[in-house]
Amino acid sequence: AQSVTQPDARVTVSEGASLQLRCKYSYSGTPYLFWYVQYPRQGLQLLLKYYSGDPVVQGVNGFEAEFSKSNSSFHLRKASVHWSDSAVYFCVLSGNNNNAPRFGAGTKLSVKP
Amino acid sequence: DSGVVQSPRHIIKEKGGRSVLTCIPISGHSNVVWYQQTLGKELKFLIQHYEKVERDKGFLPSRFSVQQFDDYHSEMNMSALELEDSAMYFCASSLLGGFEQFFGPGTRLTVL
Repeated sequence: AQSVTQPDARVTVSEGASLQLRCKYSYSGTPYLFWYVQYPRQGLQLLLKYYSGDPVVQGVNGFEAEFSKSNSSFHLRKASVHWSDSAVYFCVLSGNNNNAPRFGAGTKLSVKP
Repeated sequence: DSGVVQSPRHIIKEKGGRSVLTCIPISGHSNVVWYQQTLGKELKFLIQHYEKVERDKGFLPSRFSVQQFDDYHSEMNMSALELEDSAMYFCASSLLGGFEQFFGPGTRLTVL
């Protein structure tokens, strides 16, 4: 079985502050991990993905994520958030088992101006 | 635009009614997954097809059925609609064996 946990349902930060959104996964095989963002009343957009190699992957708009096999984690980070980053962020796990990707519950990020 | 296409974008039905949602994947993508999202919360996995065969099933109600056709487009037939079926329905496509999904804009279903 594969599953994803995003322990923080809501995160509020001030504009210009740094950000970390947490993601833990459970999967016995090789994980393929993604972060998607959903802006209000819109669809989902891919921020970044990790398949293998360097555990730190860069995404769009200054986002990056770090894969840790020992911690079964794939946390998302940004050095300095902007008010336009306010959205819901989903961590997604695909496995090499042909099952459909599984989504975390999402973290709603609010950036205070 | 060569992205995933979903239709209709918004539909209103009465309780007990029927509806059909359509998903046209990106050309060359044979893997289609359906998700339900209620009130902007988590995406609930419903069902996955690739190469026209059901491969993985999640929370798809027995009142719903999904079929993938020869051109890989997918249709979700929904019957005996209930108020709690009101939600956004997203489909996502990917290459066979690929891991990155490409999402459609979603269909908003409102059941009154």
